[in-house]
Amino acid sequence: GAGVSQSPSNKVTEKGKDVELRCDPISGHTALYWYRQSLGQGLEFLIYFQGNSAPDKSGLPSDRFSAERTGGSVSTLTIQRTQQEDSAVYLCASSRLGGTEAFFGQGTRLTVV
Amino acid sequence: QQQVKQSPQSLIVQKGGISIINCAYENTAFDYFPWYQQFPGKGPALLIAIRPDVSEKKEGRFTISFNKSAKQFSLHIMDSQPGDSATYFCAASMERGYQKVTFGTGTKLQVIP
Repeated sequence: GAGVSQSPSNKVTEKGKDVELRCDPISGHTALYWYRQSLGQGLEFLIYFQGNSAPDKSGLPSDRFSAERTGGSVSTLTIQRTQQEDSAVYLCASSRLGGTEAFFGQGTRLTVV
Repeated sequence: QQQVKQSPQSLIVQKGGISIINCAYENTAFDYFPWYQQFPGKGPALLIAIRPDVSEKKEGRFTISFNKSAKQFSLHIMDSQPGDSATYFCAASMERGYQKVTFGTGTKLQVIP
C-alpha cells in the first residue's frame, strides 16, 4: 500500500476483554515498530521487529501485551485483560532495511471502559 | 545509552518568533538525527534530518544545528506560524548495525497570533 495502515482506527472495549490491533506496514519494509501515546504525551516504545531477528520486546509494559509479525509483514498487537490505563493511541511505524526514516500509521485509539 | 533527552516539554511562541527545541544523546554510534512533526490525530511524520558530518541543515524556516562534541542537536523554527503548532519529536538511529530509531519525549509547540 501507499502508507502504513492500522486497523481499527478506533476501538472501545470493556475492561477485562482482549483486543487485537493490526498494522500493515509499507510493502518491502523490514522494520516495524509499535508505540503507545497517551493523551498529550510522548511516544512510549513497545516493541521492534527487524527482519527475521528476534524482536526487541523491552518496551512491553506487562505480560498482558504481546505482538507478532507474520511472514515479515503484517503485525498484530494483542492486549489481554485490558485495563483502563491501557487507553491510549497505539501507533505503528515501519522502515526499510538500512533506511532511517520511520513511516507512521494514523494509529488506533483504544478506549477501555 | 539508547536515550534521547528532549526539552522543553512544551513551548509557547508568538507568531513571527523563533522556536527552539533541544535534544541530547548518549550513544556515539548514532549517526542519523531526524525530527518528526505530529499534528493532532495524526501519526508523526519526518520533518528534517541531519547526519553528523555537517553542523547545520536548513530547509525553509526549519534548521537543525548539530554539535557532535557535545552530543546535542536542536531544531530552530524561524518566523514561527500558527500552522507550526504541533508536537515535535527528535530522534536518533544508526544507519548500520542495530537500526532501531530512538525518540525523544516530545515538545508541544503552540504558536500564538
